Amino acid sequence: DIQMTQSPSSLSASVGDIVTITCRANQTIDNYLNWYQQKRGEAPKLLIYTASSLQTGVPSRFSGSGSGTDFTLTISSLQPEDFATYYCQQSYSSPRSFGQGTKLEMK
Amino acid sequence: EVQLLESGGGLVQPGESLRLSCAASGFRFSDYAMIWVRQPPGGGLEWISAITGGGGHTYYADSVKGRFTISRDNSMNTLDLEMNSLRAEDTAVYYCSKGHARSMFRGLRHDFWGQGTLVTVSS
Repeated sequence: DIQMTQSPSSLSASVGDIVTITCRANQTIDNYLNWYQQKRGEAPKLLIYTASSLQTGVPSRFSGSGSGTDFTLTISSLQPEDFATYYCQQSYSSPRSFGQGTKLEMK
Repeated sequence: EVQLLESGGGLVQPGESLRLSCAASGFRFSDYAMIWVRQPPGGGLEWISAITGGGGHTYYADSVKGRFTISRDNSMNTLDLEMNSLRAEDTAVYYCSKGHARSMFRGLRHDFWGQGTLVTVSS
């Protein structure tokens, strides 16, 4: 099975900051990587698919990059509504594992 | 509007069984793969099972293989998860999610999620 590791596990930032979250797979997954955002008490929401494609309706301050084993999610100018937990997920092979999550908190 | 509504959660004792259901609306149900994902209290997301649009192919995480069975009724637009031999570590919120395509091909994404149903396994 493919293992996904995110870093950092938690991150403190301020409104307006640029934030980067990293996700690493233990084997190549080409560009089959999704990113989700989950706010407290809510279901996850798809942000990015196939590493860099923005889901419809997601603000353009979110972007993704990477291929092979290393991926990043970048938020270009943090907004108050962006404080949440972020998960990567590989969609290369089943089971379609998630990273452990990165909790983005307000500084 | 896509809607996914899970039901069937509750408190059960270790070793018991439970059946979760997900009622889908707002899309042509049989055209899309469906997936169950769970989240233990305070924990992260765990992909546990998926089924293709036609129901002909099913997939499981090792943690539930042999104990859980995923199924769907395309005439009723419902997705089920039969859970047997439940353990304390199965305690979680269980989410029903919709794949963006019919099969479990590489690149499948979960484009809609239900609000989840809580399963608690405790004596």
